[in-house]
Amino acid sequence: SQQGEEDPQALSIQEGENATMNCSYKTSINNLQWYRQNSGRGLVHLILIRSNEREKHSGRLRVTLDTSKKSSSLLITASRAADTASYFCATDRETSGSRLTFGEGTQLTVNP
Amino acid sequence: AAGVIQSPRHLIKEKRETATLKCYPIPRHDTVYWYQQGPGQDPQFLISFYEKMQSDKGSIPDRFSAQQFSDYHSELNMSSLELGDSALYFCASRRGLEETQYFGPGTRLLVL
Repeated sequence: SQQGEEDPQALSIQEGENATMNCSYKTSINNLQWYRQNSGRGLVHLILIRSNEREKHSGRLRVTLDTSKKSSSLLITASRAADTASYFCATDRETSGSRLTFGEGTQLTVNP
Repeated sequence: AAGVIQSPRHLIKEKRETATLKCYPIPRHDTVYWYQQGPGQDPQFLISFYEKMQSDKGSIPDRFSAQQFSDYHSELNMSSLELGDSALYFCASRRGLEETQYFGPGTRLLVL
């Protein structure tokens, strides 16, 4: 069974709009990471948030983490067509440096 | 900056053949992870190595084996290939106690 579930599974928005993707997980974690994947290509690391952090920003990205609800959200502001990709959350369990367990991913389409 | 290198990038094999995938981690990274991503699925952890020793094992079939060599590169050996082995195989590397795993571009394996 998957550690993480993401919703929505697919999201289509217009350029300039904000995109919010959510991720839920089941076990205790050390950190949660978000990755981006363009059409079956490599996974690009976007941002990492530790279990003792609640919010983190990086450029147009904002990540929140609620360990009590075992959930995280990724907000992309002022989206661009180039943001079109699949976005995955991945959790690292309490033992740091262990395997990543990925959620099912959200396919984001940003229409020009 | 140097990235994780994987070779080959594409591989086509027949059923029951063998395949060897190679991964060259980022310099000074001592941990290597292998993941398998089936079509339309999220990446699944297979196996990892730290300082040339297996450190964790996931849902890796017995037909697969892997090792990490003295120069820290890793090879994933796959025997008796099945149609269901067709997937994108990612290698990721990490340095010491750092939390971020950096992914390579993947090897796309097609079994006919």
